[in-house]
Amino acid sequence: EIVLTQSPATLSLSPGERATLSCRASQSVSSYLGWYQQKPGQAPRLLIYDASNRATGIPARFSGSGSGTDFTLTISSLEPEDFAVYYCQQRSNWPWTFGQGTKVEIK
Amino acid sequence: QLQLQESGPGLVKPSETLSLTCTVSGGSISSTSYYWGWIRQPPGKGLEWIGSIYYSGSTYYKPSLKSRATISVDTSKNQFSLKLSSVTAADTAVYYCARRAYSSNWWFDYWGQGTLVTVSS
Repeated sequence: EIVLTQSPATLSLSPGERATLSCRASQSVSSYLGWYQQKPGQAPRLLIYDASNRATGIPARFSGSGSGTDFTLTISSLEPEDFAVYYCQQRSNWPWTFGQGTKVEIK
Repeated sequence: QLQLQESGPGLVKPSETLSLTCTVSGGSISSTSYYWGWIRQPPGKGLEWIGSIYYSGSTYYKPSLKSRATISVDTSKNQFSLKLSSVTAADTAVYYCARRAYSSNWWFDYWGQGTLVTVSS
């Protein structure tokens, strides 16, 4: 089973700042890496798929990069609605797995 | 607008079987462009993929849950279901149903709101 390790666990930033989230896989997942955003009491929402493709309706301030084992989600300028938990997920190998999440909180 | 809605008991006794149904509206569960899946999230913790199903009935499970999980589809009702047997407190979680779509290269692009299932006597 592929383990996804996200860092940091918590990111404390102010609105307007840049957020950089990391996801590292225990073995190569090629580009089969996705990112989700989850707000309290809500289901996850797909942000990025295949490492760098924005899902439908996702603002351009969200971008993804990486391949193999190291991936990054960048939020270029945090909006108030972006404070949430972010999860990465791989679908390269069964079983699909998720990272443990990074919480982006208001500083 | 596609909607997924989970339904089922919110409380299940230990050793019994958890049964949930996901009703799909605003789209056909029989489309060749979709797979359907179940994901769960224990309170305050991360996400765990349980398994997925195609409209034809082909299924894929997380190996550690395969012996207890059964996912089925009822195309006439536009629903798919999850049964998890011999539950313990460790199965307490919010259970989500979700869609994987060809249009998003088979990622989970639509999710239900989730339903909390508590395992307790």
